[in-house]
Amino acid sequence: EADIYQTPRYLVIGTGKKITLECSQTMGHDKMYWYQQDPGMELHLIHYSYGVNSTEKGDLSSESTVSRIRTEHFPLTLESARPSHTSQYLCASSEHSSNGYQPQHFGDGTRLSIL
Amino acid sequence: AQTVTQSQPEMSVQEAETVTLSCTYDTSENNYYLFWYKQPPSRQMILVIRQEAYKQQNATENRFSVNFQKAAKSFSLKISDSQLGDTAMYFCAFQGGSEKLVFGKGTKLTVNP
Repeated sequence: EADIYQTPRYLVIGTGKKITLECSQTMGHDKMYWYQQDPGMELHLIHYSYGVNSTEKGDLSSESTVSRIRTEHFPLTLESARPSHTSQYLCASSEHSSNGYQPQHFGDGTRLSIL
Repeated sequence: AQTVTQSQPEMSVQEAETVTLSCTYDTSENNYYLFWYKQPPSRQMILVIRQEAYKQQNATENRFSVNFQKAAKSFSLKISDSQLGDTAMYFCAFQGGSEKLVFGKGTKLTVNP
């Protein structure tokens, strides 16, 4: 199993709260990703980072923000949660490779429910 | 933009039998990777198998093998001797030059005892 950790696993919180979802990996991977996944549906990339101080928006527009101050840590923040943010959020990381193709390792995910 | 299509939302198979999950994709790139990921209920997404587009030989990992047809842009997963622990969502994914993964909608596989 990959050494990538997400906390919390489950979060139920009211509208308007500020939320930070944590993601850490101990593999020294340069690349990290956040995906949003509705139940039984595909994953959509919302943010990614190719190294410290590097962050980019993914293919799916999201009101969340991310930061990458340390290699191992890639938190995702929602400044004011809304019911439309209810979803599962998956964090992943991958190793840098000269040919660019390395499999991504996933965390257990955070199931977020906004009331 | 690349797209990945999994045409079977749900499938079921009896324990010890063989099942094949379908995946097609669309791309104009020549060099890329294809993946099958497994997501058990409430558990971590894990990599099942990977195929490099420039390799003609189909990848195999124990009971899991793929049928990669590059010209047809097809990438099916065959699970032999199905086990109860194979019950999961299976996602086909494409990774090209952008290095970002594009996922299909998934196939929910149930292995029945």
